[in-house]
Amino acid sequence: GDSVTQMEGPVTLSEEAFLTINCTYTATGYPSLFWYVQYPGEGLQLLLKATKADDKGSNKGFEATYRKETTSFHLEKGSVQVSDSAVYFCALKHAGNMLTFGGGTRLMVKP
Amino acid sequence: DAGVIQSPRHEVTEMGQEVTLRCKPISGHDYLFWYRQTMMRGLELLIYFNNNVPIDDSGMPEDRFSAKMPNASFSTLKIQPSEPRDSAVYFCASSPDLQGSYEQYFGPGTRLTVT
Repeated sequence: GDSVTQMEGPVTLSEEAFLTINCTYTATGYPSLFWYVQYPGEGLQLLLKATKADDKGSNKGFEATYRKETTSFHLEKGSVQVSDSAVYFCALKHAGNMLTFGGGTRLMVKP
Repeated sequence: DAGVIQSPRHEVTEMGQEVTLRCKPISGHDYLFWYRQTMMRGLELLIYFNNNVPIDDSGMPEDRFSAKMPNASFSTLKIQPSEPRDSAVYFCASSPDLQGSYEQYFGPGTRLTVT
């Protein structure tokens, strides 16, 4: 079945550092890929998505590129802020099916 | 739109008591999902509905858990009797469709503590 693997956290960075959170997936066909973010005390919200190979999703300075050849969808941001501290979930979805979530990666950004 | 609304936001109860969590999905969304989040098990899908009909409840942990959706704007998740291991954050989410890349919209969650 489908699965999503994320790097273990927590990831601790200083403000303005470069961020990469790795995400790889196992799935048949061509699922859509998502990054969700969960700020403290809140529900998950969509950060960005990509629906086909080589698509780049971007939002709020975050980017992720759908790499079919490496089955990856790594999340990147050039300069993180304290306000980016949250838990980030990678997920995949086939049309007509449910979201499959990774385990989440906690990011802590220190001033 | 107000988004997905959940109540209560926090619930503290004693073991053996009945707990009812409530959810109001976004208007016009045909799909409603209940999730549970714990440190140990992460985010788990418990059950989902399509047009008020339960489609897949394979994630419901045991018979103590039940969910209903009497109409398009309201759903409940009930635990009877509650146990300390049920302590978790319970999320409700809704989506307009499962086709394509439609996202799910999550509520703020209900933090349940069973003592």
